[in-house]
Amino acid sequence: KAGVTQTPRYLIKTRGQQVTLSCSPISGHRSVSWYQQTPGQGLQFLFEYFSETQRNKGNFPGRFSGRQFSNSRSEMNVSTLELGDSALYLCASSPSPPPGTLYEQYFGPGTRLTVT
Amino acid sequence: AQKITQTQPGMFVQEKEAVTLDCTYDTSDQSYGLFWYKQPSSGEMIFLIYQGSYDEQNATEGRYSLNFQKARKSANLVISASQLGDSAMYFCAMREASTGNQFYFGTGTSLTVIP
Repeated sequence: KAGVTQTPRYLIKTRGQQVTLSCSPISGHRSVSWYQQTPGQGLQFLFEYFSETQRNKGNFPGRFSGRQFSNSRSEMNVSTLELGDSALYLCASSPSPPPGTLYEQYFGPGTRLTVT
Repeated sequence: AQKITQTQPGMFVQEKEAVTLDCTYDTSDQSYGLFWYKQPSSGEMIFLIYQGSYDEQNATEGRYSLNFQKARKSANLVISASQLGDSAMYFCAMREASTGNQFYFGTGTSLTVIP
């Protein structure tokens, strides 16, 4: 089975621009989560999508948004980029168990975003 | 309060020796899962091992074992016979049944294996 894929792997943007990152989960996985990782803040949860619906959301400003398509692929968008948005953005997918079960997540290689 | 605490920012271990990475957690749920992930310098997070709160035996996966002490709320990762390729960041994480699918991660431990 192919793993989680993320595109692009590296991205350089300028302050004020917007960016869209893409994530394709493992085949059959319907849950996709996004994380931001920085040296200062560590791994922070952005949001989780399941069956095209946002199911959980972390504590990030509205500039960070996402969506999920019917094939479970997900995109996240960051508008009006700030220098502090420079980070590794990780996507993770999970099987689609009933609520209350606790499967592991499988991560993609990440997109490294640099904002200048 | 932090859900996951990893108190060792950095650890060193001699090749072929065993090493224990500490993790304590905080939850009032009865049903939860504990996970360990490895993150090499390439950035990808690699799933290592899982322990469910109702599992009576400690989880093992090859050279990885999880020392689960429920009363102490600790879930330490033990790596036996360390290899140079084990040098990486290691993250402990938890998932609670009551909070859906959100993972809570610790701040990580940087492990360096010395030849």
